[in-house]
Amino acid sequence: QVQLVQSGAEVKKPGASVKVSCKASGYTFTGYYMHWVRQAPGQGLEWMGRINPNSGGTNYVQKFQGRVTMTRDTSISTTYMELSSLRSDDTAVYYCARDLYSISLDYWGQGTLVTVSS
Amino acid sequence: DIQMTQSPSSLSASVGDRVTITCRASQSISSYLNWYQQKPGIAPKFLIYSASSLQSGVPSRFSGSGSGTDFTLTISSLQPEDFAIYYCQQSYSTPWTFGQGTKVEIK
Repeated sequence: QVQLVQSGAEVKKPGASVKVSCKASGYTFTGYYMHWVRQAPGQGLEWMGRINPNSGGTNYVQKFQGRVTMTRDTSISTTYMELSSLRSDDTAVYYCARDLYSISLDYWGQGTLVTVSS
Repeated sequence: DIQMTQSPSSLSASVGDRVTITCRASQSISSYLNWYQQKPGIAPKFLIYSASSLQSGVPSRFSGSGSGTDFTLTISSLQPEDFAIYYCQQSYSTPWTFGQGTKVEIK
């Protein structure tokens, strides 16, 4: 069965970077885009961007341009989302989610809480 | 960016009630509209894609309709496990955007 398992919670200081991993299993890793979505405490869902695990090509939301980098390692079926220059308002749960037909997100990771605090 | 607006923001209902949630897009998105359910502390669950297609394994009491700018999610007979927050999301163009969510609470 499809599973997306994310890395554990992180606590970072303002200005630092964080790298969250998402290990996929149960399907052909290179056959489906992977997206990243975040959710600030008590807030809604915010799409950050996506990566094509086959080519490595990416699309990012403009607000994160220059601060976010999505990469993948096909040898271990893992995608990564790195966010730099962290601010307190980056405190959120970060989810990876698999793309279905390039129109929806059918499987989600369990989420990774990133806390930015001095 | 396409703005997605859900109404109501919250509602109270009883088990067995019929519940309808509305989602409106700021421009036409054809049928590129998905619905998700989220319970506290858990990742969203995928319910409906392309406005009206039920994801495999989702109970048939859930249904979706609409096209263009106006969409609805209907739960025909609310069950205890349906109390949650529901989000719509458009995939017509990037950046993909979500509605602000509708919280379905127990009356």
